[in-house]
This record gives sequence, structure tokens and C-alpha cells, in this order.
Amino acid sequence: DAGVIQSPRHEVTEMGQEVTLRCKPISGHNSLFWYRQTMMRGLELLIYFNNNVPIDDSGMPEDRFSAKMPNASFSTLKIQPSEPRDSAVYFCASSPQLHSNQPQHFGDGTRLSIL
Amino acid sequence: QQQVKQSPQSLIVQKGGISIINCAYENTAFDYFPWYQQFPGKGPALLIAIRPDVSEKKEGRFTISFNKSAKQFSLHIMDSQPGDSATYFCAAHAGNNRKLIWGLGTSLAVNP
Repeated sequence: DAGVIQSPRHEVTEMGQEVTLRCKPISGHNSLFWYRQTMMRGLELLIYFNNNVPIDDSGMPEDRFSAKMPNASFSTLKIQPSEPRDSAVYFCASSPQLHSNQPQHFGDGTRLSIL
Repeated sequence: QQQVKQSPQSLIVQKGGISIINCAYENTAFDYFPWYQQFPGKGPALLIAIRPDVSEKKEGRFTISFNKSAKQFSLHIMDSQPGDSATYFCAAHAGNNRKLIWGLGTSLAVNP
């Protein structure tokens, strides 16, 4: 079975540009999570969805960040405008159900560098 | 505020030795404690998990010890191997809240 698929794997862009990160969760999983990983702050949960509906976006750092899940098989995380401090590895994860101790399955991440 | 405190930040162990990583928490509502393993260039992957109604869980060379009264739990890797070299994260969550609260990670290096 295919795991969580993220694209692109690497993104280098100049500050001020719009960045769009993409995620395809595991088929049949109802919950989707976006994380940001840095050395200083570790893994930070940005937002998560259940059945395509955003449940908690309290981790989204500011209005420059937005996330959508138009259907069960696709989600995007957008940064507009991007800033150098947004440089990090962004992970998407999915889980079978929201209210259970099912593991979160992570993609391989997108390494984002904002120059 | 870091709700799950993980130590040490880094650890070097000789092949065949025991690796021990510790985590402490404050929120007594936490009821699920997973450990994730992350290799370079990859996302974290669930390694082993425990609920607070048991004091220990073992899967192969990996064991979680849980001390509910002390609000601490630890990961023990027996007979550590170079292939275990990775970053390990402890985490916790409470009930219906699916937000996993993560420790900051421990970078483990097992020398051959």
C-alpha cells in the first residue's frame, strides 16, 4: 500500500513568493495532520482535519499560512507571502480515525528553504 | 510551555548496550503514550505505545516503562544496534483530543 505522499520533496524559493505544499493521505484514513519540524522547536502541529473539516488550526503561526482539504485524498498547505523564518521541514500525516489510538502515518516531508 | 519533557537531547551508545530515553509529563489527562522513530530524510514512524493502565510494554528489543505516580515514561532499547541510530520522540495525548503533544526528540547514535 502507498503511504502518505508529499510533494515537492524539496522547495527553494525567494522570500515573498507563494509556496504550496501538497499531501495525499493514505486511502481510507479520515484524519490528516500538518506538522512543521525545526531544530529549535521540534515537531509542531499546525492544523488537523477530520473528514475533510479543519478541527484545530491553533498551531498555524499566522495569517500567512492556510490549509485546505477539498476532498478525502488531497490537502494543501500554503504560505503567502513566504519568509526566511518559514524554512523548515513540513510533514503531513494521516490516521484512520480521529477518536482512537491509531498511529499517525507520516510522509517523507517537504524541505522548504526560503532565501 | 513544553508539556512533555524529553531527555537526553542526544545519546551515544556502544553496540550491544542499552539505550534509555526518558520523558516526563504534567497533564494527568494524558492516556496514550507513543514513541516514534525518525530516520534522516524520513517522517517519524510509530515504534511502540503504551496506555497508563500497564507499567511496561515490550516489543522485541524495545520496552516502554511507565510510572503513573511519577508521571514519567521511558524507552529502553536492549542490545542496541547501529541500525537503531535515529531520532526518537515521545508523545502523549488525552482522550478525544487527537493532538499529540511531542517531546523535542533524542538523537541516538549507536557505535559499531
